[in-house]
Amino acid sequence: DAGVIQSPRHEVTEMGQEVTLRCKPISGHNSLFWYRQTMMRGLELLIYFNNNVPIDDSGMPEDRFSAKMPNASFSTLKIQPSEPRDSAVYFCASSQGHRGGYGYTFGSGTRLTVV
Amino acid sequence: KQEVTQIPAALSVPEGENLVLNCSFTDSAIYNLQWFRQDPGKGLTSLLLIQSSQREQTSGRLNASLDKSSGRSTLYIAASQPGDSATYLCAVMNSGYSTLTFGKGTMLLVSP
Repeated sequence: DAGVIQSPRHEVTEMGQEVTLRCKPISGHNSLFWYRQTMMRGLELLIYFNNNVPIDDSGMPEDRFSAKMPNASFSTLKIQPSEPRDSAVYFCASSQGHRGGYGYTFGSGTRLTVV
Repeated sequence: KQEVTQIPAALSVPEGENLVLNCSFTDSAIYNLQWFRQDPGKGLTSLLLIQSSQREQTSGRLNASLDKSSGRSTLYIAASQPGDSATYLCAVMNSGYSTLTFGKGTMLLVSP
């Protein structure tokens, strides 16, 4: 299995532009998570999907952020418009089962820089 | 709200030492606890998962213990090696939830 695949690995964009991050979870995993990592705040949950349905989006910082999971093998996280404070590493993770009892598998992350 | 604290924030040791990384959490109603390793510029690799009913888990030179009632977990690394250099993250999953709350990690450097 190729693991959780994220693209792009690096993204540099100008303030105000739209940014789309992509994630392909492990086949058979029915839970998908988006996390953001910064030096100041560490890893924070943004949104959690189970069976393609958003279950908890309380971590999405503001309306500029949106996430979709149109099918079991693909998810996107969109920021529009982007701001410099959105610069961070964004991780996607997937797990098997609703409670993650088998643990999480993380992707390699997308390092976003907004200038 | 669950809070996870890891001590120390950074640790530097010579090769061969046994070491202990500490993790504490404020809400003892957890479902499980997981230790991850993160190499610079990389994603997170799961090392050990301890269910709330378990006291410890072992994998090779790694041993993780869990004391749920006191809100503590330790990760013990035996005979440390330079390849163990990385950031180690502790994360808890609360009962009733499926998401993880992370500590900020311990950055470990093992020198030859």
